[in-house]
Amino acid sequence: QPVLTQPPSSSASPGESARLTCTLPSDINVGTYNIYWYQQKPGSPPRFLLSYYSDSDKGQGSGVPSRFSGSKDASANAAILLISGLQSEDEADYYCMIWPNTASGVFGGGTKLTVL
Amino acid sequence: EVQLVQSGAEVKKPGESLRISCKGSGYSFSNYWITWVRQMPGKGLEWMGKIDPSDSSTDYSPSFQGRVTISADKSSSTAYLQWSSLKASDTAMYYCGRHYMIRGVNFYYFDYWGQGTLVTVSS
Repeated sequence: QPVLTQPPSSSASPGESARLTCTLPSDINVGTYNIYWYQQKPGSPPRFLLSYYSDSDKGQGSGVPSRFSGSKDASANAAILLISGLQSEDEADYYCMIWPNTASGVFGGGTKLTVL
Repeated sequence: EVQLVQSGAEVKKPGESLRISCKGSGYSFSNYWITWVRQMPGKGLEWMGKIDPSDSSTDYSPSFQGRVTISADKSSSTAYLQWSSLKASDTAMYYCGRHYMIRGVNFYYFDYWGQGTLVTVSS
């Protein structure tokens, strides 16, 4: 199973943008995968935020604000979750996920986002 | 209203067996895959496996294959996760999630979640 690497923590101030990364191992190409992003707040189940394959193939979770967006950095072999106009309620853990094959999914280790 | 309601917290001893449940309501249970996710205390999410309730076909993460069994009962709209011999390392919160489906095609993300079942295994 591939290991998806996410920084354990990140922080930004209200109104700023937060850029969370999810780096795939070098033997698998981020360009060939749908990336799924989830948000989890303490004591709650995860919440689906969005999926991103390309700018023309992406989806937003129900009720998820448009200030949450996805992208990829091919040079870094990474997926990116961008949260613009940070709000205090965005403080949470964020997880990326891929399906290396149709039979098995893998989560990243998660990033704890602190809104200062 | 779509809901996934999980069974209550469990406290078990090592070596004991356990089955926890996830009951779906407000939708056609058979049409939507169910996934199980583990979250150990203070740790991240781990995908365990999924089931297609229409035919009870399952897929497991290699990390959990042989350690747990996922099943479903269409008649009661309930999915299950079970262990035959618990270990202390099985102590965790377990979530079920419903795969998003449209026009008969299940997708690989989860649009509804159960509230979680806390399993504690301790001697």
